[in-house]
Amino acid sequence: RKEVEQDPGPFNVPEGATVAFNCTYSNSASQSFFWYRQDCRKEPKLLMSVYSSGNEDGRFTAQLNRASQYISLLIRDSKLSDSATYLCVVNGRNTGKLIFGQGTTLQVKP
Amino acid sequence: DGGITQSPKYLFRKEGQNVTLSCEQNLNHDAMYWYRQDPGQGLRLIYYSQIVNDFQKGDIAEGYSVSREKKESFPLTVTSAQKNPTAFYLCASSIRPGTKNIQYFGAGTRLSVL
Repeated sequence: RKEVEQDPGPFNVPEGATVAFNCTYSNSASQSFFWYRQDCRKEPKLLMSVYSSGNEDGRFTAQLNRASQYISLLIRDSKLSDSATYLCVVNGRNTGKLIFGQGTTLQVKP
Repeated sequence: DGGITQSPKYLFRKEGQNVTLSCEQNLNHDAMYWYRQDPGQGLRLIYYSQIVNDFQKGDIAEGYSVSREKKESFPLTVTSAQKNPTAFYLCASSIRPGTKNIQYFGAGTRLSVL
């Protein structure tokens, strides 16, 4: 089983839609969780950290479910500019390392 | 502007050749990392350094070497022992070691084999 798993998609949604991605992780002792955004052929950029209480940044909401070992990202009122690959990142069994999921691709259509 | 600079943006390697990818940061970060990304896959850790003059192997260190002689610089050498080097190489840094600290990435180097 992979340490971090994501549905690669692609998720094709119309502008204005609400879309949600989940990411499961295998290390129950994980403490650090992030969502990064990666545009085509570019470097990943931090979208948001994920806190135990959940957190929101504008149209983006991240949630952590420790019992089921997954994190989620909700995007409301999707924009064309949201089209990208979203990487789920979790600290692995070796706590000095972050493990990156393969990413979920979102394509927002006009 | 503070940031992480990787060069070159594109690099071509001939058979049997060693090539070196540059990574420089002016963020005064202690920790630096090298990742490899293949199409449709997540980033895989090659090497990381928590402090000057110290570095550790990541998950896929074979065929690669690094040095950390200066805080700002963490070059990666892809040796001829790396038989499948074609990939997107990303350098990152964080203010301190440890996974609670956000990692910031350079723009990457695309390496191809001639």
